[in-house]
Amino acid sequence: AQRVTQPEKLLSVFKGAPVELKCNYSYSGSPELFWYVQYSRQRLQLLLRHISRESIKGFTADLNKGETSFHLKKPFAQEEDSAMYYCALSTDTGANSKLTFGKGITLSVRP
Amino acid sequence: AAGVIQSPRHLIKEKRETATLKCYPIPRHDTVYWYQQGPGQDPQFLISFYEKMQSDKGSIPDRFSAQQFSDYHSELNMSSLELGDSALYFCASSLGRGTSGYNEQFFGPGTRLTVL
Repeated sequence: AQRVTQPEKLLSVFKGAPVELKCNYSYSGSPELFWYVQYSRQRLQLLLRHISRESIKGFTADLNKGETSFHLKKPFAQEEDSAMYYCALSTDTGANSKLTFGKGITLSVRP
Repeated sequence: AAGVIQSPRHLIKEKRETATLKCYPIPRHDTVYWYQQGPGQDPQFLISFYEKMQSDKGSIPDRFSAQQFSDYHSELNMSSLELGDSALYFCASSLGRGTSGYNEQFFGPGTRLTVL
């Protein structure tokens, strides 16, 4: 069975500091990896997915199959980045794309 | 733009009662997923529907049942409620028809169920 591990529950940094949110996964095949974000009082929303290789709001994440990791990075954190971040994976496609989530990490960016 | 709607947003029930949670997907989305998030836990997949048929099943208790209706909205029915059922229940919708690869799931705000 697949599993997603986010080893830290909370990361607190000052504005302008670099951020790295760690995510490791276990799955024998080739999953699709995602980062979801939940801002205060808002719903979960997709931040980015590994297959698109985009940079969203300055965040990037590279899938490292050798280390089975998908860490989320941003070189200079902003206060508006404060939120809950979930790493997730999907092993299926189409209408069966259920997500397996990690436990999430709270990012707090202080002024 | 229209988003996923869930009702009610909050629900308080006694043990052994029943509860029905509703999910209205984004227009033209044909796939609905239900997730349960206990306090301090990650969201856990419960069940999903595509074109009104169950497409996948996760860790959903036998006391729970769900269905998707002709207008694509979905209802999660929970019976013989237990204290441990207290959680945030998310619904997500996506477009599954005629696509391959992962289809982005759009989440609702969740229903917070408290069982006393």
